[in-house]
Amino acid sequence: GNSVTQMEGPVTLSEEAFLTINCTYTATGYPSLFWYVQYPGEGLQLLLKATKADDKGSNKGFEATYRKETTSFHLEKGSVQVSDSAVYFCALGGNNRLAFGKGNQVVVIP
Amino acid sequence: DAGVTQSPTHLIKTRGQHVTLRCSPISGHKSVSWYQQVLGQGPQFIFQYYEKEERGRGNFPDRFSARQFPNYSSELNVNALLLGDSALYLCASTPRGPGQGADTQYFGPGTRLTVL
Repeated sequence: GNSVTQMEGPVTLSEEAFLTINCTYTATGYPSLFWYVQYPGEGLQLLLKATKADDKGSNKGFEATYRKETTSFHLEKGSVQVSDSAVYFCALGGNNRLAFGKGNQVVVIP
Repeated sequence: DAGVTQSPTHLIKTRGQHVTLRCSPISGHKSVSWYQQVLGQGPQFIFQYYEKEERGRGNFPDRFSARQFPNYSSELNVNALLLGDSALYLCASTPRGPGQGADTQYFGPGTRLTVL
């Protein structure tokens, strides 16, 4: 079945540092890929998405490219801010249901 | 425009009790899905409803049930609560039904259920 794997462990970095969160997937067919963000005590917010191979999703300085050859959808941001501290989930969409990774907590230190 | 709304925000129950959680989708959205998010994990798909019919079910026991009303709002019911049912329950809506396109799911703030 469809599944998503995110890199293990929280990510702690300093303000203005470069952020990368790895995400790989296993799927049949051609799913859509998403990154969702969850701030403390809140629900999930869509950060960006890509619906086909080689598409690049982008929003608020975050980017991710749908790589079919490596089955990956890594999230990147060039210069993080304290306000980017949150939990980030990679998700795979098919038939209007989402399969999520375990999430990565990102802590940005001033 | 109002987003997805859920009620109640928090709920405390004891083992063996029953609980009903409610969700109102974004206006114009016809499909509602439910997810369970256990602390420290990603959300797990429970149900999808479209036009009042169940269109998808995740790997959850029969103690979990749901329904969708003519106004597209939805209820999630859980019977015979177990300690392991403690989680954040998220509702998400999309404009269309399954097989009608790769729609983004828009999530509500969730209901935090604690089972003692």
